[in-house]
Amino acid sequence: AQKVTQAQTEISVVEKEDVTLDCVYETRDTTYYLFWYKQPPSGELVFLIRRNSFDEQNEISGRYSWNFQKSTSSFNFTITASQVVDSAVYFCALSEILTGANSKLTFGKGITLSVRP
Amino acid sequence: NAGVMQNPRHLVRRRGQEARLRCSPMKGHSHVYWYRQLPEEGLKFMVYLQKENIIDESGMPKERFSAEFPKEGPSILRIQQVVRGDSAAYFCASSSKQGTEAFFGQGTRLTVV
Repeated sequence: AQKVTQAQTEISVVEKEDVTLDCVYETRDTTYYLFWYKQPPSGELVFLIRRNSFDEQNEISGRYSWNFQKSTSSFNFTITASQVVDSAVYFCALSEILTGANSKLTFGKGITLSVRP
Repeated sequence: NAGVMQNPRHLVRRRGQEARLRCSPMKGHSHVYWYRQLPEEGLKFMVYLQKENIIDESGMPKERFSAEFPKEGPSILRIQQVVRGDSAAYFCASSSKQGTEAFFGQGTRLTVV
């Protein structure tokens, strides 16, 4: 069975601080996708990134960066120079590839990030 | 190109009533997924449908819940005889084929009073 653990439940930082959101996953599959989603107070789910298990390269997109470590089954997300608009709940998720239902996602419980001015 | 449309955005039902949640996938998408988000929880998979077929309903409660995705029209998640514990946000996602990214709708927030 697949499992995603986001051990941090709430994080509070002051604007311009860097913050890292942790994600650890469990799966018996050798190929899978990992995702991060943002859920702002308005409630919608905003897609941030999808990473294939074959690709362990770290990725940077503006102030966002992701560190995928297959050896430790972790897919951590760092926000550099945080802003108040980054305040949201962030979800890490996992899906299989080979069984076909690739969009059947297993979500972590989410991390509530509060960025104070 | 409209995204995944869910309606209503908010739904209030009294205990014992029926709730119908609608999801119109993105244009060209034939795969629909329903997820439920209970308060303070992550999203949990409920059901995966393709046009006129239920592919995986392993996350659906055994009673009172049903889903369909007819040849024409939106996908419907139906909850009969709602109870307070059904209060949650219900999200729909669609994809064009297996192996591609799923796009989420804005969710329907169901409140049972």
